[in-house]
Amino acid sequence: SAVISQKPSRDICQRGTSLTIQCQVDSQVTMMFWYRQQPGQSLTLIATANQGSEATYESGFVIDKFPISRPNLTFSTLTVSNMSPEDSSIYLCSVEGEGTGELFFGEGSRLTVL
Amino acid sequence: DAKTTQPPSMDCAEGRAANLPCNHSTISGNEYVYWYRQIHSQGPQYIIHGLKNNETNEMASLIITEDRKSSTLILPHATLRDTAVYYCIVILGTGANNLFFGTGTRLTVIP
Repeated sequence: SAVISQKPSRDICQRGTSLTIQCQVDSQVTMMFWYRQQPGQSLTLIATANQGSEATYESGFVIDKFPISRPNLTFSTLTVSNMSPEDSSIYLCSVEGEGTGELFFGEGSRLTVL
Repeated sequence: DAKTTQPPSMDCAEGRAANLPCNHSTISGNEYVYWYRQIHSQGPQYIIHGLKNNETNEMASLIITEDRKSSTLILPHATLRDTAVYYCIVILGTGANNLFFGTGTRLTVIP
């Protein structure tokens, strides 16, 4: 199994500002995934972060809005840039268990944009 | 990846078995069925997965029909802590980057 820690757990932000979310894993993993869960909705994959290369973004998500860093095999950050109220969501970091096929998730970062 | 259809909500009495259905009629031969759940204000939690055969672990049992077009997740003795949204997902291999979380089934366990 993998233990994932996310910071901050929640934050209230002003429109137009940016916030960086950190994700720390207790073991080395190849891929890390960032999801968004809007209020009352299911999870949507934002991007896949590989160490040493640029993140791969899903349709509807762009690097300028959601820049991602992956400096090593246990850490990643997701920045939500120039925030608007529509960005109010829970942002979740996840990793795949090696050879198990299961995803492990952090507790999420709940952002509210005023 | 095959899409899935689940009832939006279900109730279950505490201590009884909870049977959560999932239709995946377009599943292909090498796609797996995964189940996750999300308890309020927490990240999703893996429950179980299978390909063809029925599977059981300490959390639940997964029954997959012979034609693989549907499956049922069984929580044998539901407790109040099992109240959550349950997601049935069909993916190719481990394909975590192809995980599509549908709307899921909101299970409410009633005392």
